[in-house]
Amino acid sequence: GEDVEQSLFLSVREGDSSVINCTYTDSSSTYLYWYKQEPGAGLQLLTYIFSNMDMKQDQRLTVLLNKKDKHLSLRIADTQTGDSAIYFCAETPGNYGGSQGNLIFGKGTKLSVKP
Amino acid sequence: DTGVSQDPRHKITKRGQNVTFRCDPISEHNRLYWYRQTLGQGPEFLTYFQNEAQLEKSRLLSDRFSAERPKGSFSTLEIQRTEQGDSAMYLCASSQNRNTIYFGEGSWLTVV
Repeated sequence: GEDVEQSLFLSVREGDSSVINCTYTDSSSTYLYWYKQEPGAGLQLLTYIFSNMDMKQDQRLTVLLNKKDKHLSLRIADTQTGDSAIYFCAETPGNYGGSQGNLIFGKGTKLSVKP
Repeated sequence: DTGVSQDPRHKITKRGQNVTFRCDPISEHNRLYWYRQTLGQGPEFLTYFQNEAQLEKSRLLSDRFSAERPKGSFSTLEIQRTEQGDSAMYLCASSQNRNTIYFGEGSWLTVV
């Protein structure tokens, strides 16, 4: 079945780059997402990448996709204390019975940014 | 446009009571989704609407759960005969196309 795996914790110093990694199982996934969740809040869509791309850059965010290894990463440049949050990777299974709504999420990576 | 709106934000209820959550999607978004998130976990898909049609339901959606989107705009999620295991955050999301799915702030449910 579909599964998304992430490491649970990452700690970096302010100003450094953060790299959050994710692996997924469904090779037919069409879109892959990164969401940010601050304590007690909902999910904020950070960025997404279509499966025919291998890189996407958006300001401080860089997404890398390795389809062969089913590996997705999110790099945050010049990490700030305001970036401290939980980051979720999610996939949309491509052949999940024609599903249009079933995002599969990982358990999230808690990013701590130290001043 | 103020984004996906959910109400109430917090609800404490006694076991066995019914609760209803409301979601107002981003205007003109034809797709609406409900997810559930428990502590330390990622969100889990519950159900999905395209306009007023409920097109998909997860096996997590027991028969105590019902969702509606009567006019293709706002949606309600009702939980009947609540159990302690229903305690979670219920997230609503909406999209106009499949690649940009926006979530609301969530509705926290505590069943005591």
